[in-house]
Amino acid sequence: IQLTQSPSSLSASVGDRVTITCRASQGISGYLAWYQQKPGKAPDLLIYAASTLQSGVPSRFSGSGSGTDFTLTISGLQPEDFATYYCQHLDSMPITFGQGTRLEIK
Amino acid sequence: EVQLVESGGGLVQPGGSLRLSCAASGFTFSTYWMHWVRQPPGKGLVWVSRMNTDGHTTDYVDSVKGRFTISRDNAKNSLYLQMNSLRVEDTAIYYCSAAITYTGGRYYLDSWGQGILVTVSS
Repeated sequence: IQLTQSPSSLSASVGDRVTITCRASQGISGYLAWYQQKPGKAPDLLIYAASTLQSGVPSRFSGSGSGTDFTLTISGLQPEDFATYYCQHLDSMPITFGQGTRLEIK
Repeated sequence: EVQLVESGGGLVQPGGSLRLSCAASGFTFSTYWMHWVRQPPGKGLVWVSRMNTDGHTTDYVDSVKGRFTISRDNAKNSLYLQMNSLRVEDTAIYYCSAAITYTGGRYYLDSWGQGILVTVSS
């Protein structure tokens, strides 16, 4: 199963609302996670099961979608949110990640 | 607090071998699936392998099948990745990850080590 994220990069300002899309090559039954990765650091789990917020993650992050189309939304960007975001499916083997979306400060 | 600490990385020549270790603490290691994920320099995340709780079930990405072997020692709270016949394209940061968060039939990778660099070069 291939995951395609769009856009590959985007520029936004503090306070903006941004949406990242992840499209699967076939249905993945909602077995989707979103990660945030900052330079030199390991990924952090933000969202799992497509829409469940991981403990400790700010509520400005939200996930939605089903079947093949999923979105990660950040409402009210904060300076610490500028990072790279990845989607990942766990529907079947092999597990795969999207290619990543780099979120930069405008 | 969950802690995962990788070790064993370094520089190796093409065709060589390396064994990565991941020391786990802060959770009941023996009850969770464990994974290896890698990230080539400047590139995205690539899932590599996983092992179930008792070590009897393993999965690998096609590019490492027959060359890499995942294993675990629950008595030592440790995960391993034996990497043989290494190629230049195996150069990456390797992360150990614990799949602890469970819902709807799937365990999600919610805890990660800091990563260890493996460089394959002559």
